[in-house]
Amino acid sequence: DVKVTQSSRYLVKRTGEKVFLECVQDMDHENMFWYRQDPGLGLRLIYFSYDVKMKEKGDIPEGYSVSREKKERFSLILESASTNQTSMYLCASSSRASGNTIYFGEGSWLTVV
Amino acid sequence: QQQVKQSPQSLIVQKGGISIINCAYENTAFDYFPWYQQFPGKGPALLIAIRPDVSEKKEGRFTISFNKSAKQFSLHIMDSQPGDSATYFCAATPTQGGSEKLVFGKGTKLTVNP
Repeated sequence: DVKVTQSSRYLVKRTGEKVFLECVQDMDHENMFWYRQDPGLGLRLIYFSYDVKMKEKGDIPEGYSVSREKKERFSLILESASTNQTSMYLCASSSRASGNTIYFGEGSWLTVV
Repeated sequence: QQQVKQSPQSLIVQKGGISIINCAYENTAFDYFPWYQQFPGKGPALLIAIRPDVSEKKEGRFTISFNKSAKQFSLHIMDSQPGDSATYFCAATPTQGGSEKLVFGKGTKLTVNP
């Protein structure tokens, strides 16, 4: 089974702090994604990466950056957290071979106070 | 053009009933339509998917109906069970675009009462 692991499930951070959300997948997938999930807004793509050191902006990249130094690891960075970034963050991965099936992690709940 | 509109936002069904969730799209380039199921505290997981060369796909109690001319597709859950209580997301993408082009609906929270 594909496993996408988000190491931090629940975080509380202060406004202005730098926040790192880490994600690891164990299936050698080329593509990795960060989504944000908010009630009534569904799943919104923040950034994706189709290869090591490659990244592309999604629909809502403002206030976020990402890093992919290794194929299995994709990090989401909030340079200066703000209260409007309180949300559930979902990491996901997919392979070119599996077509359009995306495999999600269990999510990281971030609260910015 | 890129949106997928999903309705209803929430749905309450009695055990044994039929749950129906509807989605509509505008982009005629979309040709892959998956449904994802998300239980509380978990990430979404692929439930069932359809391509427009068929009008219906059934897997157990879950059926996708697809109407290409109307640009609509729907998920039917027959004999709904309390264990089906979850949030359901429809999605769409052009096959050529890859998984990064997947566009999600806003989700439907289904509650099945015992």
